[in-house]
Amino acid sequence: QSALTQPPSASGSPGQSVTISCTGTSSDVGVYNYVSWYQQHPGKAPKLIIYEVSKRPSGVPDRFSGSKSANTASLTVSGLQAEDEADYYCTSYAGTNKLVFGGGTKLTVL
Amino acid sequence: QLQLQESGPGLVKNSEALSLTCTVSGDSISSGDYFWDWIRQPPGNGLEWIGTIYYTGTTYYNPSLGSRVTISVDTSKSQFSLNLSSVTAADTAVYYCARRTRTGRYLGLWGRGTLVTVSS
Repeated sequence: QSALTQPPSASGSPGQSVTISCTGTSSDVGVYNYVSWYQQHPGKAPKLIIYEVSKRPSGVPDRFSGSKSANTASLTVSGLQAEDEADYYCTSYAGTNKLVFGGGTKLTVL
Repeated sequence: QLQLQESGPGLVKNSEALSLTCTVSGDSISSGDYFWDWIRQPPGNGLEWIGTIYYTGTTYYNPSLGSRVTISVDTSKSQFSLNLSSVTAADTAVYYCARRTRTGRYLGLWGRGTLVTVSS
């Protein structure tokens, strides 16, 4: 059960779009549509922003969207705002009720 | 309002056991719709899934932690607990408890987290 691979950092200017990738294997991301994304601000607990690849919980802006192709899932943040600066983590179901996290991506709004 | 709250010692000695409890308020821990998870985050690092428990007591663990981890549930107190044996400095982390939707496999509700430091 290896961690999912995310780029350590990403950045964009206000109003721009940025996409963060999350690469797994055919044992997790590639076989299950149970990828979720979490936003974490410094000193805070993670917050769910995307579940089941592309669904948004109530209250999450539609600027956040998710997708998946083969073994790679992606989170896109459109119309970047200052408050989007945070760490983002992907997670995938890995079978037998186990989860695996990505290493996290620090998003900087320039 | 549904809340999860971690509690336990903030300092544990090297080679001893770490024990934390998560108290669930505002909902029943016996709801069959959820699993109850533990996740940790070493200072400055990413999240690591530790394991999960169903209200029946069925557990699943991260293989990387081997036999050091045990998660238990006390439905009468609406609590579930984490025990991690033989700790080292590498186990120093913020420990979070969270509720996982059984069907959607996502962590929809998290506790605030508690920092546990392993000292020599």
